[in-house]
Amino acid sequence: KQEVTQIPAALSVPEGENLVLNCSFTDSAIYNLQWFRQDPGKGLTSLLLIQSSQREQTSGRLNASLDKSSGRSTLYIAASQPGDSATYLCAAPTGANNLFFGTGTRLTVIP
Amino acid sequence: ETGVTQSPTHLIKTRGQQVTLRCSSQSGHNTVSWYQQALGQGPQFIFQYYREEENGRGNFPPRFSGLQFPNYSSELNVNALELDDSALYLCASSPEGGSTEAFFGQGTRLTVV
Repeated sequence: KQEVTQIPAALSVPEGENLVLNCSFTDSAIYNLQWFRQDPGKGLTSLLLIQSSQREQTSGRLNASLDKSSGRSTLYIAASQPGDSATYLCAAPTGANNLFFGTGTRLTVIP
Repeated sequence: ETGVTQSPTHLIKTRGQQVTLRCSSQSGHNTVSWYQQALGQGPQFIFQYYREEENGRGNFPPRFSGLQFPNYSSELNVNALELDDSALYLCASSPEGGSTEAFFGQGTRLTVV
């Protein structure tokens, strides 16, 4: 069974700082890897999807990388803003129908 | 393009009761998955429906059941509610099968008292 771990569990940074969130998974036979953002009590917003054949994806200030061989993905956020404060979740499906999630990294960006 | 919508947004039920949660998939999506998210945890897969058939199930008891309709909307039914069923229930839809990008609704917060 796929196990997904996210480190750190919580992170607090001053506005403007660049930061990296980490995601590791035990089964490298993944279809893709998806990063989500979740605001308190809300649903998940898809940020980036990296197909298993890709190494990275970029969207605005966000860049996600994928290293299947080491079972790792990172989400890089440039020039962080207070509006980036949320919980960030990664999901790594090994089958066609089940997203395995980590417990997330709770990010606070201090103005 | 209409996104994934769930109803109701909040619900309070008594232990032993039954509940039905609803999800309308995003336009053009034929696959719907349901997840349970306890406080402080990541979402856990309940089951998936693809073209009205169950297409995979997680480690949840049979009192969790589902349905998908011809328009690809879906229902999650939970019988004999227990206190531990209190959670945020999330619905996700994807374009074709489950290996493509998943889009989530805003969730239904279920509280069992």
